[in-house]
Amino acid sequence: GNSVTQMEGPVTLSEEAFLTINCTYTATGYPSLFWYVQYPGEGLQLLLKATKADDKGSNKGFEATYRKETTSFHLEKGSVQVSDSAVYFCALDDDRGSTLGRLYFGRGTQLTVWP
Amino acid sequence: NAGVTQTPKFQVLKTGQSMTLQCAQDMNHEYMSWYRQDPGMGLRLIHYSVGAGITDQGEVPNGYNVSRSTTEDFPLRLLSAAPSQTSVYFCASSFKETQYFGPGTRLLVL
Repeated sequence: GNSVTQMEGPVTLSEEAFLTINCTYTATGYPSLFWYVQYPGEGLQLLLKATKADDKGSNKGFEATYRKETTSFHLEKGSVQVSDSAVYFCALDDDRGSTLGRLYFGRGTQLTVWP
Repeated sequence: NAGVTQTPKFQVLKTGQSMTLQCAQDMNHEYMSWYRQDPGMGLRLIHYSVGAGITDQGEVPNGYNVSRSTTEDFPLRLLSAAPSQTSVYFCASSFKETQYFGPGTRLLVL
């Protein structure tokens, strides 16, 4: 079956620190991988995605590389800001190439950045 | 475009009451879905629809009904609310592997 495991939080960092949030997955077929972000009181927003092995998704200084050999999609940012404080969700969609988008989510990682 | 809209934002119900959570999108997306979000559980899929007139169950469908009479609307019905349905509910529509989420409905069942 399909599942996503991501590191448990909460993660607390000082501003300008380096961030890594680990994510590994189990999937049948060839999944696309996603990171979604949820700011306080809001719905989820797509942060970045990668659709095939070795692809790197990037947005707003965040990066994640699709590693098929380790079934991982770790989220990284070189210098976090207070405004990055949010909950981050790793997800996969095994309907690759389709307009259908059934997602399987990890449990989320709360990130708090202090000034 | 308004994107995905949900109403109400907040709702308090008593056990056994019924209600409908509304969801609408103006992006002409075929795929829509409902999730619930509980602490430490991530998002779990309740029901989804691949187009008008077609719906199917997700991971946690018990206690919820859906219908899809138009492309735009995808309401979620609780026929007899239970305290276990206290949660935050998110509706989403999807196009080309990207899901667009509504702002959520926070439901408390007493």
